[in-house]
Amino acid sequence: EVQLVQSGPEVKKPGESLKISCKGSGYTFSRYWIGWVRQKTGKGLEWMGTIYPGDSDTRYSPSFQGQVTISVDTSSNSAFLHLRNLKASDTAIYYCARLRTATTPFDHWGQGTLVTVSS
Amino acid sequence: SYVLTQPPSVSVAPGQTANITCDGENLGIRGVHWYQHKPGQAPVLVVYDDSERPSGIPERFSGSNSGSTATLTITWVEGGDEADYYCQVWETPSHPSVVFGGGTTLTVL
Repeated sequence: EVQLVQSGPEVKKPGESLKISCKGSGYTFSRYWIGWVRQKTGKGLEWMGTIYPGDSDTRYSPSFQGQVTISVDTSSNSAFLHLRNLKASDTAIYYCARLRTATTPFDHWGQGTLVTVSS
Repeated sequence: SYVLTQPPSVSVAPGQTANITCDGENLGIRGVHWYQHKPGQAPVLVVYDDSERPSGIPERFSGSNSGSTATLTITWVEGGDEADYYCQVWETPSHPSVVFGGGTTLTVL
């Protein structure tokens, strides 16, 4: 069974940094892309970027380019989303999701990680 | 950038058919994917490539795409279908990007 398990909820202060993890299992991790999607409270889904674990090829949404970093560690079958200089407006649920190729649908999703940024 | 427009809400009685639309310029030439998202849960892919169903998705869920409108159709709607539904395409200029519609809340009366 394909599973994507994300790290737990986080509470951070403005200006702090954060790394969210997404561990894949039940499939060959290096052969599928991983994408990251943000959902602010009461809002829709926003694509942040995707990474191919096989060679770390990374694509960012122009809206998030330079604001976040996506990385991967194939030894642990995990992808990561690095958020830095956090603001209250970064408060959201962050999802990872799997894609078969760079431009196919997200066929499996993680459970989401709630990030709360508050002073 | 490419824009997908969905109605904010759709309401339907149990047992009836729900049609959720997604509009975009020349959308018919793109592959449209649909996700069901219930509160507190991960989104679920219910239709991909306009009309294909992933394994495990009931036949009650179907999709179509022509012209500038894609439609997700849910027949024999049940209370458990109440959720937000998002359409999604890939915009592929030199730099492929994901585009989501704004989402439609399906309410089962």
